[in-house]
Amino acid sequence: DVKVTQSSRYLVKRTGEKVFLECVQDMDHENMFWYRQDPGLGLRLIYFSYDVKMKEKGDIPEGYSVSREKKERFSLILESASTNQTSMYLCASRDPGQGYEQYFGPGTRLTVT
Amino acid sequence: DAKTTQPNSMESNEEEPVHLPCNHSTISGTDYIHWYRQLPSQGPEYVIHGLTSNVNNRMASLAIAEDRKSSTLILHRATLRDAAVYYCILLSNSGYALNFGKGTSLLVTP
Repeated sequence: DVKVTQSSRYLVKRTGEKVFLECVQDMDHENMFWYRQDPGLGLRLIYFSYDVKMKEKGDIPEGYSVSREKKERFSLILESASTNQTSMYLCASRDPGQGYEQYFGPGTRLTVT
Repeated sequence: DAKTTQPNSMESNEEEPVHLPCNHSTISGTDYIHWYRQLPSQGPEYVIHGLTSNVNNRMASLAIAEDRKSSTLILHRATLRDAAVYYCILLSNSGYALNFGKGTSLLVTP
């Protein structure tokens, strides 16, 4: 089974702090994604990486950056956390050669105070 | 992007079939119909997808209307573990961003 793990289930940070969210997948997938999920707004794509060192902005990249130095790891960085970045963050991976299915991690609930 | 419309909630008894509808009247010819579900406190999970023909897998069946303006996810025998929010999404062949709306919250009662 594909496993996607995220570094924390719950995280509390202060406004202005730099925040790192880590995601690791164990199935050698080329594509990795970072989403955020908010009540009433659904799931929204922040960034997409189609391979190592490759990235594309999603629908809401402002305030975020990403890093993909190794195939299995995709990091989301909040350079200066703000309260409007309080959300559930979900990482996913996909093998584009094996179809459309995205495999999600359990999510990190981030609270910025 | 073509939108989908789903009922906010549905209820089913355990071990009975469940039919979850999705309307997508503005679907384009290259849009695939995908279903994901999200159990409480978990990340979303892929269920099934299709283009024109009905599809079956170990989790569910997907029935697609002939005009493709609607589809139905069928759980053949609901279990308590199937209680989740089910999302119907359209994705083009080259698309990858999953934009979940509100979905249908399925309650399964013993």
